[in-house]
Amino acid sequence: ETGVTQTPRHLVMGMTNKKSLKCEQHLGHNAMYWYKQSAKKPLELMFVYNFKEQTENNSVPSRFSPECPNSSHLFLHLHTLQPEDSALYLCASSQVGRENTGELFFGEGSRLTVL
Amino acid sequence: GQNIDQPTEMTATEGAIVQINCTYQTSGFNGLFWYQQHAGEAPTFLSYNVLDGLEEKGRFSSFLSRSKGYSYLLLKELQMKDSASYLCAAMDSNYQLIWGAGTKLIIKP
Repeated sequence: ETGVTQTPRHLVMGMTNKKSLKCEQHLGHNAMYWYKQSAKKPLELMFVYNFKEQTENNSVPSRFSPECPNSSHLFLHLHTLQPEDSALYLCASSQVGRENTGELFFGEGSRLTVL
Repeated sequence: GQNIDQPTEMTATEGAIVQINCTYQTSGFNGLFWYQQHAGEAPTFLSYNVLDGLEEKGRFSSFLSRSKGYSYLLLKELQMKDSASYLCAAMDSNYQLIWGAGTKLIIKP
């Protein structure tokens, strides 16, 4: 496998469910990201991990809980979500450092619908 | 505040040229990115500009004017497969990306 892979591609859940989104990058990058993409809105950065350490948490509600067990894997645990959380959740990775532009490599996203 | 502006939607004809504009206001500046996103797919990197001027890459070119806080993406010899959303993003002084809402480009035969 190459690039950034996300599972599941589609997820429907009720407001009381617990589910997790998974992301895996095969690019040897040192940073991973979760973004939320809603229709006609800019990408919203949710979490950033550099070398497995969380460096950004953009005021994301606690019903979203990230986990980064190693530099290749990233999870987003979901619990008691709201209908307004329905969106496309994109995972991305990049190589952060002086010689790099910080170009992001995205997965194809997990389309989440909260009923 | 930090802000990116780009048109919501544009329409162009197959074989023609289209220019998608982007203006930005950021705290510091470390470059301007353009990404392409087809419906239901991942955004993919198109270009990165950090110095003023035009960068050409095949049918696609990207221009930057730092003094004006302005960039554009130029697509030549449009093909139907160019129908997609084009995302503009500026990197601020903290190396954080500030994203525009994207421009949906519709190509007509």
